[in-house]
Amino acid sequence: GAVVSQHPSRVICKSGTSVKIECRSLDFQATTMFWYRQFPKQSLMLMATSNEGSKATYEQGVEKDKFLINHASLTLSTLTVTSAHPEDSSFYICSANDRGRTYEQYFGPGTRLTVT
Amino acid sequence: AQSVTQLDSQVPVFEEAPVELRCNYSSSVSVYLFWYVQYPNQGLQLLLKYLSGSTLVKGINGFEAEFNKSQTSFHLRKPSVHISDTAEYFCAVMRGSQGNLIFGKGTKLSVKP
Repeated sequence: GAVVSQHPSRVICKSGTSVKIECRSLDFQATTMFWYRQFPKQSLMLMATSNEGSKATYEQGVEKDKFLINHASLTLSTLTVTSAHPEDSSFYICSANDRGRTYEQYFGPGTRLTVT
Repeated sequence: AQSVTQLDSQVPVFEEAPVELRCNYSSSVSVYLFWYVQYPNQGLQLLLKYLSGSTLVKGINGFEAEFNKSQTSFHLRKPSVHISDTAEYFCAVMRGSQGNLIFGKGTKLSVKP
């Protein structure tokens, strides 16, 4: 149980285009979902926290107009990278809290974004 | 503010040897501490967590960690490592009631035959 999926696993896009990444909790309801970014050989940096049905809370320094987060249901959150640039290339990982087990955070497998 | 320091960026060790990955945290409030493992190009998998109670926490794959409040540490240990333990290990502290995790920079464990 407690599986989080991400789609796509890899995406290559051209500079200036937008890319949407989906994060789904497959067998539990996630009241809160988190989006992280990981640069090569570095740690995970929290980008934003999203709660179902409300606006996401962004970390300092993260552009909310560039990284659009929508938490439309208790099992789905999406991250859209708008007008992507090469510096947005990174590994994006989502995680979700099980509604009934707040201290358990389950991670998706990640999405490798490459902007050319 | 809460923060996590992983003192070693890389730890090479021979198979079947013991290993300790060090983690120190800073927090002015009650802490919830976690260790995660990340295999190449994958997400994170929870190894173990400390929320309260016994300071010695046992996790999956034979790992354990000890919460030491006076030393503000949460070191991860395994008495005998396998090649398959080669991965990146992240220590994390939970921030706030929503469950935001603050991660350390990670320790790359390399197990050699």
